[in-house]
Amino acid sequence: DAKTTQPTSMDCAEGRAANLPCNHSTISGNEYVYWYRQIHSQGPQYIIHGLKNNETNEMASLIITEDRKSSTLILPHATLRDTAVYYCIVRRENFGNEKLTFGTGTRLTIIP
Amino acid sequence: KAGVTQTPRYLIKTRGQQVTLSCSPISGHRSVSWYQQTPGQGLQFLFEYFSETQRNKGNFPGRFSGRQFSNSRSEMNVSTLELGDSALYLCASSSSGPGDEQFFGPGTRLTVL
Repeated sequence: DAKTTQPTSMDCAEGRAANLPCNHSTISGNEYVYWYRQIHSQGPQYIIHGLKNNETNEMASLIITEDRKSSTLILPHATLRDTAVYYCIVRRENFGNEKLTFGTGTRLTIIP
Repeated sequence: KAGVTQTPRYLIKTRGQQVTLSCSPISGHRSVSWYQQTPGQGLQFLFEYFSETQRNKGNFPGRFSGRQFSNSRSEMNVSTLELGDSALYLCASSSSGPGDEQFFGPGTRLTVL
């Protein structure tokens, strides 16, 4: 699976949009970009995923560049409860390949 | 639907003991994966079970083992505990169709003294 690179930490003011970047320059054609987050002492929580088109759900938006070498997770109106470590991973959609490899992620702190 | 549940939530053991952790996946999910999370190593994949068979395995010693029952519930066992086994052990379930999501449980915090 391709590796990802994320900033170690970021701050964002409450109510503003939080934009979390991720580089995945070695991503291959059949790999998806997934985002998870982990609030302290809890299990990781799925946020969103995409292949090449931008995606939006009730939690966030995912913008993937045309060359698919990077992406940005957008939390449109950050709240204090969005403070967490955010993991960007790439994985194949192969049936049976359930192994996930998480990097160090980005520690996002929402500031009141 | 109820989420993934793990028991116990917290556990304290001493070196040399063994421990069994339990995971109940979301109803209808047939795949269960186990992960170890430590501050230094991050999240590391242990193994994955599907329909009572181990389908994928990470790079952990044989002291770490698991199994899955016919109702998809899974157990993970660690024998001869070492101090370095102190970690948050996470279980994730998925229905294992193409592109299916993994849903994580709250984890079991194991402390080895």
